[in-house]
Amino acid sequence: DAMVIQNPRYQVTQFGKPVTLSCSQTLNHNVMYWYQQKSSQAPKLLFHYYDKDFNNEADTPDNFQSRRPNTSFCFLDIRSPGLGDAAMYLCATSRGTSTAYEQYFGPGTRLTVT
Amino acid sequence: RKEVEQDPGPFNVPEGATVAFNCTYSNSASQSFFWYRQDCRKEPKLLMSVYSSGNEDGRFTAQLNRASQYISLLIRDSKLSDSATYLCVVNTEPGGYNKLIFGAGTRLAVHP
Repeated sequence: DAMVIQNPRYQVTQFGKPVTLSCSQTLNHNVMYWYQQKSSQAPKLLFHYYDKDFNNEADTPDNFQSRRPNTSFCFLDIRSPGLGDAAMYLCATSRGTSTAYEQYFGPGTRLTVT
Repeated sequence: RKEVEQDPGPFNVPEGATVAFNCTYSNSASQSFFWYRQDCRKEPKLLMSVYSSGNEDGRFTAQLNRASQYISLLIRDSKLSDSATYLCVVNTEPGGYNKLIFGAGTRLAVHP
């Protein structure tokens, strides 16, 4: 059974056209994370939510925003995608914020910017 | 300097070979250590945690040397299905939250 679900799996958007990526979870975990992984690079944390508390990484561009309307869903909004934003976007969840908790990853959304 | 550094490979080995991957990390405050496996165009999946005492899971053995800030993964009797990218991951807790820092990965290709 899928535990962390990402939709769509593949997304194509035009340069400058806002796009929203979706993540949902059936684990009832408190924490949800968004990572960006560019080709042949390491996944990089963009931000995370602990319940409704939003935590942005210092180097995450302002172009990236997130919403978490409830425990199960979290969205990644890219306000004006550039060619450099083409990447795999990975959602992950964990029960809590301690390093003792494993993070569970979704299958990712591969974003193409034309 | 990157926080987690790995040899990108690729490592091309025949079936049955033993292969070792190394990783170094820069933050001495890192608390937890892992190896993840990532297949092409898929999400990372936890392979195993790494403990100072070393740990083994079947054909896979992981070691941690905190003094040298060095992590290793040994794969014995390689299978074709082991072909993937292996990501070295450290976990810190800046500001009290669970932050995974990934290496860029080492690619393994096992051939018949």
